[in-house]
Amino acid sequence: DIQMTQSPASLSASLGETISIECRASEDIYSNLAWYQQKSGKSPQLLIYAANRLQDGVPSRFSGSGSGTQYSLKISGMQPEDEGDYFCLQGSKFPFTFGSGTKLEIK
Amino acid sequence: EVQLVESGGGLVQPGRSLKLSCLASGFTFSNYGMNWIRQAPGKGLEWVASISSSSSYIYYADTVKGRFTISRDNAKNTLYLQMTSLRSEDTALYYCARLGDYPGITHFDYWGQGVMVTVSS
Repeated sequence: DIQMTQSPASLSASLGETISIECRASEDIYSNLAWYQQKSGKSPQLLIYAANRLQDGVPSRFSGSGSGTQYSLKISGMQPEDEGDYFCLQGSKFPFTFGSGTKLEIK
Repeated sequence: EVQLVESGGGLVQPGRSLKLSCLASGFTFSNYGMNWIRQAPGKGLEWVASISSSSSYIYYADTVKGRFTISRDNAKNTLYLQMTSLRSEDTALYYCARLGDYPGITHFDYWGQGVMVTVSS
């Protein structure tokens, strides 16, 4: 199985700050990487797919990058509504696997 | 508007069975692959099973293979998950999710609100 190592586990950011979350795959996943935001008590919402494609309706302050085994999600200018948990997903091979998550809070 | 509404969850004893349903609306259900994903309380996400649009291709996580069966009825716009021989470690919130249609890229673009399954005596 492809292991997804996500870091950091938690992050505290000030309003307006730019933050990054990383996911490292145990093998090349050929940009088959998605990012999700999950707010408390809600279902996950797709932010980014194919490593860098912004899902319709997602604010442009969210961006994704990476290739091979290394991927990152950047939020350019933290907003209050960005608090929540963030997960990466690799869809390159079955079984699809998620990162362990990053809890993002406002400082 | 795409909507996915799960049902069928509840409290069940170990070793018993339960069948989850996911009613889809707002899109042509028969054109999309569908998935079940679960989240144990306070834990991360675990992909459970996938089924292609015509049910030709079905895949399972090793943790549920042989115990769970994913199926769909395109005439009823409904996805199912038959769960048998349930274990305490199957306790989780179960989401159905649609497979996005960007070519060659797997991602789940819409998720239901989830249905809770608790396995306990």
